Amino acid sequence: RKEVEQDPGPFNVPEGATVAFNCTYSNSASQSFFWYRQDCRKEPKLLMSVYSSGNEDGRFTAQLNRASQYISLLIRDSKLSDSATYLCVVNGNNNDMRFGAGTRLTVKP
Amino acid sequence: DAGITQSPRHKVTETGTPVTLRCHQTENHRYMYWYRQDPGHGLRLIHYSYGVKDTDKGEVSDGYSVSRSKTEDFLLTLESATSSQTSVYFCAITRTSGGAANNEQFFGPGTRLTVL
Repeated sequence: RKEVEQDPGPFNVPEGATVAFNCTYSNSASQSFFWYRQDCRKEPKLLMSVYSSGNEDGRFTAQLNRASQYISLLIRDSKLSDSATYLCVVNGNNNDMRFGAGTRLTVKP
Repeated sequence: DAGITQSPRHKVTETGTPVTLRCHQTENHRYMYWYRQDPGHGLRLIHYSYGVKDTDKGEVSDGYSVSRSKTEDFLLTLESATSSQTSVYFCAITRTSGGAANNEQFFGPGTRLTVL
C-alpha cells in the first residue's frame, strides 16, 4: 500500500463547479500536510498547508481528518486556470515528505 | 520564487555514461533535496542535504550520489546511467523557522533526463 494515495482522476468539471479531492495517508504519526499544484511539465508549487482545524484560502478549503487519516481539498467556483494536477503531501517517519501521485483536474468552459 | 535553478534542463544520454545534475539556490537555504518524478508515482526522494557536506539517503537512493561543497549548490550524480533512471528530476529547498525545517518545500524547474 502506498503511503499517500489519491484518486488519479481525471476530474472533468465545467467552469463554476465545485470539486473535491480526497487523499488518504498511512502514517498515523504524520504531523504536516500540504496540497501542491502542478501544471503540465512544470514544477510543483505549494497551494496551501492543511491545519487540524481546517483552513480556507479564497475559493480553496482544506480539511484534515486525523481519525480516518485523510485530507481533502475543495475548490469552489472552478476557473479554467484551476486545471492542473493536485498533489497531496504528508510528512513521513524521518520528517521527509511523501507525495501522492496526484489528481488531475480539467475545468472546461 | 525561491531562487532555485537547475541545469541542464534537458539531457539525453546513453546507458553507462556518468551524468551530473546541478541545483543552485541563491537564498542561502540550509536544506536541499533531490526528487525524481515518474508517471503513476508521486515525487520520490533520492537524497537530501541539511548543510555543507551533510547529506543523507532518501527512499530511492540506489544508483545515485550527491555532493554539497557549497551552501548554494547541490549536485546529483548518476555514476553509470541506466534506462530506469529516465525521469524528471526536481531539486527543492525547505525554508526554516527557528533553525528547523518547516516542511514547506519549494521546487526548481526540473531536469528531464532520458537514458537511451
